[in-house]
Amino acid sequence: EIVMTQSPATLSVSPGERATLSCRASQSISINLAWYQQKPGQAPRLLIYGASTRATGIPARFSGSGSGTEFTLTISSLQSEDFAVYYCQQYNNWLPLFGPGTKVDVK
Amino acid sequence: DVQLVESGGDLVQPGRSLRLSCAASGFSFDDHAMHWVRQAPGKGLEWVATISWNSGNKGYVDSVKGRFTISRDNAKNTLYLQMNTLRAEDTALYHCARDINGAKPWAFDLWGQGTMVTVSS
Repeated sequence: EIVMTQSPATLSVSPGERATLSCRASQSISINLAWYQQKPGQAPRLLIYGASTRATGIPARFSGSGSGTEFTLTISSLQSEDFAVYYCQQYNNWLPLFGPGTKVDVK
Repeated sequence: DVQLVESGGDLVQPGRSLRLSCAASGFSFDDHAMHWVRQAPGKGLEWVATISWNSGNKGYVDSVKGRFTISRDNAKNTLYLQMNTLRAEDTALYHCARDINGAKPWAFDLWGQGTMVTVSS
């Protein structure tokens, strides 16, 4: 079973600053990785799939990179609406498991 | 509107059964694999089950294998989750989600708001 880890658990950032979130897979998953954003009381929203492809309607300040076991989600200039929990998810096999999440909060 | 609406959540005793439904609208339901994802109160997302577009392939997280069954009715644009022998640790908000892909799990690009299942005596 592929295990997904995310770091840090919490990231404190000021509005306008850059945020860099990491996701690691316990074995290679090629580029079969997605990122989701979840705000309190809301359903998750797909941001990135294929490690770097933005989903429909996602602003360009969100970008994804990486392959194999190491992945990064970058938010270039944090807006107030970006403070949320971010999850990575691998879909390299029939166990599309999520990482534990990174909470991005206001510094 | 393109949407997924879950229903069927309830307060049930341990060992009992429950069936969740997810009504899809605004898109071609039978073009997509579908999933159930749950979130225990204050916790992260946990994938539960997946079904391919034609019900030919299904997958489950180990903790629900043998107890939960995912199914779909493409004529009714509806996804189901039959949950048997419920345990306290199944307590969660259950979301249905649409996959970008039709045949196998990929990325989940449309989510419902969820239906709450509480297992307690």
